[in-house]
Amino acid sequence: DAGVTQSPTHLIKTRGQQVTLRCSPISGHKSVSWYQQVLGQGPQFIFQYYEKEERGRGNFPDRFSARQFPNYSSELNVNALLLGDSALYLCASSLFAVGPSYNEQFFGPGTRLTVL
Amino acid sequence: RKEVEQDPGPFNVPEGATVAFNCTYSNSASQSFFWYRQDCRKEPKLLMSVYSSGNEDGRFTAQLNRASQYISLLIRDSKLSDSATYLCAVNMGQAAGNKLTFGGGTRVLVKP
Repeated sequence: DAGVTQSPTHLIKTRGQQVTLRCSPISGHKSVSWYQQVLGQGPQFIFQYYEKEERGRGNFPDRFSARQFPNYSSELNVNALLLGDSALYLCASSLFAVGPSYNEQFFGPGTRLTVL
Repeated sequence: RKEVEQDPGPFNVPEGATVAFNCTYSNSASQSFFWYRQDCRKEPKLLMSVYSSGNEDGRFTAQLNRASQYISLLIRDSKLSDSATYLCAVNMGQAAGNKLTFGGGTRVLVKP
């Protein structure tokens, strides 16, 4: 079975531009979470979506938005890019069902965004 | 105080030795705990989940101490391939958006 897939793998943008990142979860998983990881730090939670609804939001500005589609894939949009948005953007897939074992999250390879 | 803290290391470990390191968390309502392994410029890969007092998988043992609010990871018979950054993650449950809060990672270098 395919794991979590993300596209593109790398992206270079300039300040002020907008970017859209894409993620497809593991087959059968209905929840997608987005994380930002800057060099030398652990991933930081941005959003979680389940059944097309936002279920959690991290401490990120409104320039960050996301959505989930009926096939459970997801997009993360970042507007008005800043130099500080340069990071590895990770998508995680989970079942999001009752019981702690179903909260295991599996990460995709990430999109490495560089803002110049 | 950070929600999840780890010693950044690096832990320099001779091949074949045992290494252990901890992760402390600040919120006593934390429900589930995970160890991820991350290789340079790659995504985190789930290594172990810790739901009760502990879990063992081959050479890896994770333990949870709720009273002192920390989890630990022990690696026995270290291999060169164990060199990586080990990330601790804490989940507050569905009511908190099911988000994972990560520590900054502990770097482990296994040397011949």
